[in-house]
Amino acid sequence: DAGVIQSPRHEVTEMGQEVTLRCKPISGHDYLFWYRQTMMRGLELLIYFNNNVPIDDSGMPEDRFSAKMPNASFSTLKIQPSEPRDSAVYFCASSSLRGGDNYGYTFGSGTRLTVV
Amino acid sequence: SQQGEEDPQALSIQEGENATMNCSYKTSINNLQWYRQNSGRGLVHLILIRSNEREKHSGRLRVTLDTSKKSSSLLITASRAADTASYFCATYGNNRLAFGKGNQVVVIP
Repeated sequence: DAGVIQSPRHEVTEMGQEVTLRCKPISGHDYLFWYRQTMMRGLELLIYFNNNVPIDDSGMPEDRFSAKMPNASFSTLKIQPSEPRDSAVYFCASSSLRGGDNYGYTFGSGTRLTVV
Repeated sequence: SQQGEEDPQALSIQEGENATMNCSYKTSINNLQWYRQNSGRGLVHLILIRSNEREKHSGRLRVTLDTSKKSSSLLITASRAADTASYFCATYGNNRLAFGKGNQVVVIP
């Protein structure tokens, strides 16, 4: 398995533009997580899905952020409109059923977003 | 929040020495996990210790957990230059993993 695949690796966009980050989890994993990493706040859980259904989105900072998982092999995180304070590294992670209890999460390489 | 707090924040050691990192947390947990992050990369799961375990080993890694003190430590023995990375503890509970701020470890060849 190629692991968790995220795209793009880097994204530079202007304030006000829409940004879409993509993630392909490991085949067979039931859980998918979106995290954001900044120097100030560390790693924050934004939202997670179980069997393609959003379970907890309490970490999503504002209505400008939305996430979808239309099928088991694809998820998107969208920011519209983007702001400079959204600049961060966004990670996608997946795990098997109760993986957090036993095996930990598998992370993608992240998308470094810069909003200018 | 079940965020871990690592201590120390940054550690610089010579190759071959041992590196020890500590982590404290605030609430009850199912397990505690340690991850490594190399510069510009994603996090890699290293080891998981359950709340009913006190010590666990994996290769050159040794992790301890003291639930009464709500603390954990990660020991890397005989460090190598390739161990240079940031190390994060993460607490698992309520179906979510909450991370600490991380320890930067530099191993000097």
